[in-house]
Amino acid sequence: AQTVTQSQPEMSVQEAETVTLSCTYDTSESDYYLFWYKQPPSRQMILVIRQEAYKQQNATENRFSVNFQKAAKSFSLKISDSQLGDAAMYFCASSNRDDKIIFGKGTRLHILP
Amino acid sequence: DTAVSQTPKYLVTQMGNDKSIKCEQNLGHDTMYWYKQDSKKFLKIMFSYNNKELIINETVPNRFSPKSPDKAHLNLHINSLELGDSAVYFCASSQSGTSGRNTQYFGPGTRLTVL
Repeated sequence: AQTVTQSQPEMSVQEAETVTLSCTYDTSESDYYLFWYKQPPSRQMILVIRQEAYKQQNATENRFSVNFQKAAKSFSLKISDSQLGDAAMYFCASSNRDDKIIFGKGTRLHILP
Repeated sequence: DTAVSQTPKYLVTQMGNDKSIKCEQNLGHDTMYWYKQDSKKFLKIMFSYNNKELIINETVPNRFSPKSPDKAHLNLHINSLELGDSAVYFCASSQSGTSGRNTQYFGPGTRLTVL
């Protein structure tokens, strides 16, 4: 069975600083995909970044980057130069061949001005 | 130019009623999904349809029935609503068939409150 674990229910970071959100996953598949979604107070689910498991290179999207450690089944999200608009729930997720996304329980990120 | 839209955004109803939530996507995707997010923010898939055909049906009570009239629409009908059905329901879509590599785009969610 596919599982996704986020061990940090809440985190805080000072504006302009860097923060890393942790995620571990478990899957028996060799072909899978990993995602980070952001859910601001508006409740819209927004894709932040995605990673194909077969790619060794870590995905990057502007201030957002991941540290994908396949052997350790770890997929952390690093947010650089944190901004007030980054405050949200962040969900780590994975999907296999069946396109079913399994979500972690989320990490609420607070940005301190 | 909304990509995935849901109506209504808020739904308040009495226990025992029947209600529907509609979802439409204009992205040309062939797969659509329904997710439920509970009060603790836990998000779980309920159903998915590919080209109007049901492909994922998680352990969901029979009172929930998805209907896909065409590949751009996936509606969710709920019979005999219960207090535990209160949640936010998200519709999503993707261009699928390629082993999960395609991103799912989410609608704005429908907050259902059962009194």
